Amino acid sequence: AQKVTQAQTEISVVEKEDVTLDCVYETRDTTYYLFWYKQPPSGELVFLIRRNSFDEQNEISGRYSWNFQKSTSSFNFTITASQVVDSAVYFCALSEADRDDKIIFGKGTRLHILP
Amino acid sequence: DAGITQSPRYKITETGRQVTLMCHQTWSHSYMFWYRQDLGHGLRLIYYSAAADITDKGEVPDGYVVSRSKTENFPLTLESATRSQTSVYFCASSDGGANTEAFFGQGTRLTVV
Repeated sequence: AQKVTQAQTEISVVEKEDVTLDCVYETRDTTYYLFWYKQPPSGELVFLIRRNSFDEQNEISGRYSWNFQKSTSSFNFTITASQVVDSAVYFCALSEADRDDKIIFGKGTRLHILP
Repeated sequence: DAGITQSPRYKITETGRQVTLMCHQTWSHSYMFWYRQDLGHGLRLIYYSAAADITDKGEVPDGYVVSRSKTENFPLTLESATRSQTSVYFCASSDGGANTEAFFGQGTRLTVV
C-alpha cells in the first residue's frame, strides 16, 4: 500500500538557518514518482520538484536541495539559508507509474522562518 | 489570464443545501482533480477526470458529484451538504495525470452550518 509520512508536523527556525524536511514513503511498485509541493499562506499549492524512482541523483535548485535515498525510502528536502518567504506548509507526495489518478500526499510540515 | 481558477473562494451554506464549486483551467490539460484538505488528513482525492466526459471516484467521493462536459471545466457539486463537508477544496489540473506536475487553484473554503 502507498503511504507518505512527514513526521515533522511543525518546525521553526531562525532566518538564515538551514532546515531539512523529512519525507518517508512506502510503495510496492518499482516505478514511482515523488513530489514536493509548497503551500504558502495564500493557499494554493505550488509544485517544487518531481523525481522518478530510477533517478537517485540529488537535485539542487538555488537554495533548495533534495536528497532521494531508495535504501531508506526517503526523499528529504533541505532549504539552505532560509528566508521568511520560505514560511509555508510543505507536502511530500507519491504516485505509482501504473496509476494515473492516485497521488498520495503526506500530511504536510508547517515551516516557520522567524526573522 | 492563463491558469486555473476556482469560484467562489469562500462559501457558507446550510446543511441540506446543494452547492456547486466551480473550477476552470485554460491550459487544455487532460486531467483534472478535486481534493479536500482537512487538518490531520492532508489532501484527499474526491474525484478525478482523465478527459471530457470521463470521471472516476477518488478516495472520498461520497456526497459529491462531478461532471466534465468541457475540457476546461470541472464543477464539484455537494448534493446535500453536511457539516462533515466543511473543508478547503482544491481543484488541480495536469497534462499527464497523477505522475506529472499538477497545477492547483487557490482553493474554496466551504463552511456548512
